[in-house]
Amino acid sequence: EVHLVQSGAEVKKPGESLRISCKGSGYSFPTYLITWVRQMPGKGLEWMGMIDPSDSHINYNVSFQGHVTISADKSISTVYLQWSSLKASDTATYYCARSYVVTGGMDVWGQGTTVTVSS
Amino acid sequence: QSALTQPASVSGSPGQSITISCTGTSSDVGGYNYVSWYQQHPGKAPKLVIYDVSNRPSGISNRFSGSKSGNTASLTISGLQAEDETDYYCSSYTSSSSWVFGGGTKVTVL
Repeated sequence: EVHLVQSGAEVKKPGESLRISCKGSGYSFPTYLITWVRQMPGKGLEWMGMIDPSDSHINYNVSFQGHVTISADKSISTVYLQWSSLKASDTATYYCARSYVVTGGMDVWGQGTTVTVSS
Repeated sequence: QSALTQPASVSGSPGQSITISCTGTSSDVGGYNYVSWYQQHPGKAPKLVIYDVSNRPSGISNRFSGSKSGNTASLTISGLQAEDETDYYCSSYTSSSSWVFGGGTKVTVL
């Protein structure tokens, strides 16, 4: 069975760094693109960026570029989302999801990772 | 990239059909046949119900259908059921080689 399993909830202080992960199983991991999606509390979905695990090519939403870094380690079927300096406004649930092509729908989603940033 | 425009809420009685609109621009919805729709129950991850404007993934009920005209895409749910009451989001590929979501629509079954 195909799964994307995300790392657990995090509670951090402003200014701290963080890396969350998304591990794929049950399929050929390098064959599918992985997207990160943000959902702030009580709000809608926001497309953050997409990575091709086969070559680590990344497309960022310009609104997030420079504040987050997306990376992949295909040897362990894992994609990461990281911050070097968190802000309170980064408090949200973050989902990873896969798609077969850049223009394709996201057919498998992780369970979500809730990040809380508070002093 | 501005979010696509969806109505905040749509409601219907059991058995009826409802349609959710999703309006963008010629740089997203109008420019590509790459519109997806997602269903999200509270506290759960989104679920793909329509891709490429009108295609249903395996396992999705044929009560869900999608279409597009110009800069507006639509999701129709026919034979409305209690289990359909939740949030729906559209998403479109854009000329920036990225994706943009709509603001979401809450469907209420009366």
